[in-house]
Amino acid sequence: DGGITQSPKYLFRKEGQNVTLSCEQNLNHDAMYWYRQDPGQGLRLIYYSQIVNDFQKGDIAEGYSVSREKKESFPLTVTSAQKNPTAFYLCASSIRGRYSPLHFGNGTRLTVT
Amino acid sequence: AQSVTQLDSQVPVFEEAPVELRCNYSSSVSVYLFWYVQYPNQGLQLLLKYLSGSTLVKGINGFEAEFNKSQTSFHLRKPSVHISDTAEYFCAVSQGGSEKLVFGKGTKLTVNP
Repeated sequence: DGGITQSPKYLFRKEGQNVTLSCEQNLNHDAMYWYRQDPGQGLRLIYYSQIVNDFQKGDIAEGYSVSREKKESFPLTVTSAQKNPTAFYLCASSIRGRYSPLHFGNGTRLTVT
Repeated sequence: AQSVTQLDSQVPVFEEAPVELRCNYSSSVSVYLFWYVQYPNQGLQLLLKYLSGSTLVKGINGFEAEFNKSQTSFHLRKPSVHISDTAEYFCAVSQGGSEKLVFGKGTKLTVNP
């Protein structure tokens, strides 16, 4: 079955450490996205990529970095510069086009202490 | 910039009662509208979408939504809810030439027996 795999489901890190969240899709989608979800805040866009080797900042990119070396993969690194990294992170993908719905992974819950 | 307002953060209802979850967006210029559902600790799933044509859109699980251009609204309705409909619901808008979705803050629907 096609879909998006995010791993791990739960991640714990100490403050000051960088951490990388994995996102892999086998839907053959060109576009991929990272969202952050906090209680009562909805989803906020961190980064998105419409083609391999290209990506754009979303609304809250500070303290995060991404890469898009393969069509299937879009890892997100939460750096030590991110002031409030504890959150639920969702990866999504879509066929390119403004009316294409997003397909979501099941998320990674990151806790930084 | 486009914005989405979900007027109710929480909606409690009894099983088999009708429900309406409200969504308003900021611009009437060429928008594409979506409703997503999120069950606890999971990603989001597409319920329905409005791209063009009939203003009444039917989705999965018996949900429907009506696009009202003059009121810039896209309210979600279900005539009779089940316990299994308990989840968080997100309205999202893509405006004009943008490939980015803007999400509302979500409405938590709780269906009580």
